[in-house]
Amino acid sequence: GQNIDQPTEMTATEGAIVQINCTYQTSGFNGLFWYQQHAGEAPTFLSYNVLDGLEEKGRFSSFLSRSKGYSYLLLKELQMKDSASYLCAVRGPGGSYIPTFGRGTSLIVHP
Amino acid sequence: EAGVVQSPRYKIIEKKQPVAFWCNPISGHNTLYWYLQNLGQGPELLIRYENEEAVDDSQLPKDRFSAERLKGVDSTLKIQPAELGDSAVYLCASSFMRGRNPAGETQYFGPGTRLLVL
Repeated sequence: GQNIDQPTEMTATEGAIVQINCTYQTSGFNGLFWYQQHAGEAPTFLSYNVLDGLEEKGRFSSFLSRSKGYSYLLLKELQMKDSASYLCAVRGPGGSYIPTFGRGTSLIVHP
Repeated sequence: EAGVVQSPRYKIIEKKQPVAFWCNPISGHNTLYWYLQNLGQGPELLIRYENEEAVDDSQLPKDRFSAERLKGVDSTLKIQPAELGDSAVYLCASSFMRGRNPAGETQYFGPGTRLLVL
């Protein structure tokens, strides 16, 4: 199975940069997802990493190091609407197509 | 493009009563998932369908939970009888899987059904 660890809660200031870390332990690896979930709403896809390195998408970037079992989601120019839970999900060994989700990191952006 | 539709959005029932949730996936998506999400936790898979076939239901408590996906499109998830511990959000998600390689396959989630068992 997979073991995924991410901080429970983070706070940051509007306009700042925040990095949300995710570490994982898995017997195999087939990709890592980041999802954003606002309170009472569905998770929405942010990024997918399967190779080492940084993937940039506008204000959001996601980094992966497979050898370290580590990923981070970087949010730049924070806006109040970025206050949400950020879920890290890891897809395990071949044949197991289902991502396992972490508990999520609740990000609070204040003025 | 319409997203994943779920109903009802909220449901309050007494314990031991039955309850059913409905999901309509994104048109053309061949894979459908039911997840359970407790407060402050990530989604946990209950069952996955490829077309009309349930291919991963190891986490589904089969003594009280059942699911079906008629004609490989809409799906229903049923609990009978419901217990207090079943109070949670039930999320449906869909995706399009090409062949047997899911690389980059993205799941699209519905808004969920929030269940409260009293």
